[in-house]
Amino acid sequence: DTEVTQTPKHLVMGMTNKKSLKCEQHMGHRAMYWYKQKAKKPPELMFVYSYEKLSINESVPSRFSPECPNSSLLNLHLHALQPEDSALYLCASSQEGTANTEAFFGQGTRLTVV
Amino acid sequence: KQEVTQIPAALSVPEGENLVLNCSFTDSAIYNLQWFRQDPGKGLTSLLLIQSSQREQTSGRLNASLDKSSGRSTLYIAASQPGDSATYLCAVTGGGNKLTFGTGTQLKVEL
Repeated sequence: DTEVTQTPKHLVMGMTNKKSLKCEQHMGHRAMYWYKQKAKKPPELMFVYSYEKLSINESVPSRFSPECPNSSLLNLHLHALQPEDSALYLCASSQEGTANTEAFFGQGTRLTVV
Repeated sequence: KQEVTQIPAALSVPEGENLVLNCSFTDSAIYNLQWFRQDPGKGLTSLLLIQSSQREQTSGRLNASLDKSSGRSTLYIAASQPGDSATYLCAVTGGGNKLTFGTGTQLKVEL
């Protein structure tokens, strides 16, 4: 099983709403990631979790709050977002950083902030 | 800071043609390089992984090479098909499990 599952697939939220994106993998990977992708641009790293601890935060605004409840799950809590936060949010997982570390991505959550 | 660039940005070819996509990176201290495919509005599908000690990987009609010292990789697609139409992204893995993506090549294979 090389699947990373993201829910929901689509999300529309108002600027005052609170919502969460969810990501799950059962490959035993200990590194999990959140990426943001705007149209016609490459994915941009937001957060990296390693062994359920936040290891990288790419200066992401606090209205995005990541959480890793266990080694299989990764959440991204959203609050007071802006329309410019509308994007495809991608979750990924991999083994810890070794030469044969292959990253697997989910299908993404298409977020629209109105 | 690692910077990854892909050339060309877009490519349109007739079906059956062999083609080469290019990827260059500025910091050679990488664990590996991956090539991904992305269909419009979808997630990323991993195509090939080349470890930093390797020079080449092959999967079906795809062949990827890596020259770590010069900071370059190429993805060769043989006998292209309309189903190959997608955006192709290269990405390098550096310290801290950080995956940095290239700018992408949008490929269209026409009948």
